[in-house]
Amino acid sequence: EPEVTQTPSHQVTQMGQEVILRCVPISNHLYFYWYRQILGQKVEFLVSFYNNEISEKSEIFDDQFSVERPDGSNFTLKIRSTKLEDSAMYFCASRIMGLAGDEQYFGPGTRLTVT
Amino acid sequence: GDSVTQMEGPVTLSEEAFLTINCTYTATGYPSLFWYVQYPGEGLQLLLKATKADDKGSNKGFEATYRKETTSFHLEKGSVQVSDSAVYFCALSDSANNNDMRFGAGTRLTVKP
Repeated sequence: EPEVTQTPSHQVTQMGQEVILRCVPISNHLYFYWYRQILGQKVEFLVSFYNNEISEKSEIFDDQFSVERPDGSNFTLKIRSTKLEDSAMYFCASRIMGLAGDEQYFGPGTRLTVT
Repeated sequence: GDSVTQMEGPVTLSEEAFLTINCTYTATGYPSLFWYVQYPGEGLQLLLKATKADDKGSNKGFEATYRKETTSFHLEKGSVQVSDSAVYFCALSDSANNNDMRFGAGTRLTVKP
């Protein structure tokens, strides 16, 4: 069964460093998402991406964040200068279409630890 | 804006007990409603969904009915098992909000033998 994959599973970085989190969505999906879950807290929407551009972003997704689909398979989240409060699980998701009833398929997540 | 409110956990039950996790929502359009489950150390998996009023989603003994009049989508299971221990997230996707998904805070369920 097709699945969303994410790498790395755990990333440790120092404050102020840039990190890139990678995701490979399901191949025929058209909509892509990033979410964040700070330990023990709710899953927070960061950004949605369709047709090679951001379709919506949350207040969390400030100028330090960017997303890219550099080729036909990868979908990346870049944090330009990490802060301690960026420590969280980051989940990528994809969806075949943008219809409300379509489920999103989630990857296993990348745990980001900023020290 | 759209939002989802779940009952606060944690919830601890004995095996074979009845489970209810309450979920209510606020939406401007006509949302689809979902329950996702997160097992320890894993990502989110879809448990069930309902796309219109009065629809009932069901899977693995869990069920939830889309109630427009009470704006609710409560999750129920008649007899829980130890393997059901996980965090459960209620979510909505609203056509008036770009169909992006919004999650509740999650409810941690622990089932003891």
